[in-house]
Amino acid sequence: KNQVEQSPQSLIILEGKNCTLQCNYTVSPFSNLRWYKQDTGRGPVSLTIMTFSENTKSNGRYTATLDADTKQSSLHITASQLSDSASYICVVTLETGANNLFFGTGTRLTVIP
Amino acid sequence: IAGITQAPTSQILAAGRRMTLRCTQDMRHNAMYWYRQDLGLGLRLIHYSNTAGTTGKGEVPDGYSVSRANTDDFPLTLASAVPSQTSVYFCASSVWTGHNEQFFGPGTRLTVL
Repeated sequence: KNQVEQSPQSLIILEGKNCTLQCNYTVSPFSNLRWYKQDTGRGPVSLTIMTFSENTKSNGRYTATLDADTKQSSLHITASQLSDSASYICVVTLETGANNLFFGTGTRLTVIP
Repeated sequence: IAGITQAPTSQILAAGRRMTLRCTQDMRHNAMYWYRQDLGLGLRLIHYSNTAGTTGKGEVPDGYSVSRANTDDFPLTLASAVPSQTSVYFCASSVWTGHNEQFFGPGTRLTVL
């Protein structure tokens, strides 16, 4: 069964600290993996995308990694800011089909001063 | 340039009433999608459209219908709302279905009493 699981469900960190969010998936055949950021009351916005051959991708203070062998991805946030408070959603795309996106339930990150 | 817009922002609806959620994009994207997002669950696809004039069923289509008369608009209709349809609804679009990044609207919060 194609599934995407994220951990932790929620996380509270102090401003300025680093954190890492995890995503494990069983989606196959794999096409790509995206991390989305969803601010409260807003729609998700794409942060990074990685294909099978990529194992790291950065977007400012956000760095995503992918291990396609173990089917794991992580999103590392460096020097967190209050504006990083959001839900982070891992989305895995199946290689074939139109209805081919699998969403994780997200990690709710709260950055406190 | 607005990107993708949804209306209304929120709505409280009596059970049994008919309701249409509106979605418009100005990016000339071929594909459009409707998702619902419920607490503790990932985004779930309701219906999608690969291109104007075509629609398809997603993971949770029952009780919903869509139409795609033109490229820009993709309304979602609840023919007879039920309390289990209380949710936040997101419309999204992408250049094509499949592997492209999806751009999400701001969402519509619907409460069915």
